Amino acid sequence: GIQVEQSPPDLILQEGANSTLRCNFSDSVNNLQWFHQNPWGQLINLFYIPSGTKQNGRLSATTVATERYSLLYISSSQTTDSGVYFCAVYSGGGADGLTFGKGTHLIIQP
Amino acid sequence: DTGVSQDPRHKITKRGQNVTFRCDPISEHNRLYWYRQTLGQGPEFLTYFQNEAQLEKSRLLSDRFSAERPKGSFSTLEIQRTEQGDSAMYLCASSLGGGASGSGEQFFGPGTRLTVL
Repeated sequence: GIQVEQSPPDLILQEGANSTLRCNFSDSVNNLQWFHQNPWGQLINLFYIPSGTKQNGRLSATTVATERYSLLYISSSQTTDSGVYFCAVYSGGGADGLTFGKGTHLIIQP
Repeated sequence: DTGVSQDPRHKITKRGQNVTFRCDPISEHNRLYWYRQTLGQGPEFLTYFQNEAQLEKSRLLSDRFSAERPKGSFSTLEIQRTEQGDSAMYLCASSLGGGASGSGEQFFGPGTRLTVL
């Protein structure tokens, strides 16, 4: 099945810093989503971005499907941005669930 | 709030007991998914329904697991003869999907955290 690798696995930043999270995937995908998992376990949708670039406030994402990667940018980090960020892809072909990476654990220090 | 809801939020049980979880999807969504997440890992796909039909099951879904979605609305996930290895967060998601575009954007519920003693 498709493989999803996220980097870095852990990231510690000071409040106000910018960060880039990367997601590489091993095969072509129909869908790609970025999530933020809060300390209570809730997965919060950030972007649905199988290709192209989207922005939402301080967050933006770019997926280059032909090169099999996606990037999530967080600017002017706040402590509330802390948590785990997951990339998940849907490749189709009978496996209709999302395949998740292992996540990037982000800690924003005040 | 019209998001995905799950019940219960927490369940503690003894090894060998049966447990059942419920998921209520977003009302207009035709697809419903179950995932399992263990500590330090991303969620792993278990099974999904399109309307009332169960169309795909992961190898992770052993014979002790069964899922239903009667009438294509809410879904239940039952685990029989629970084992300590079943301890995990069980997540439900729903989407409006189908066709060449794939699954559509999936929205997740808050999860049910299962602890098997």
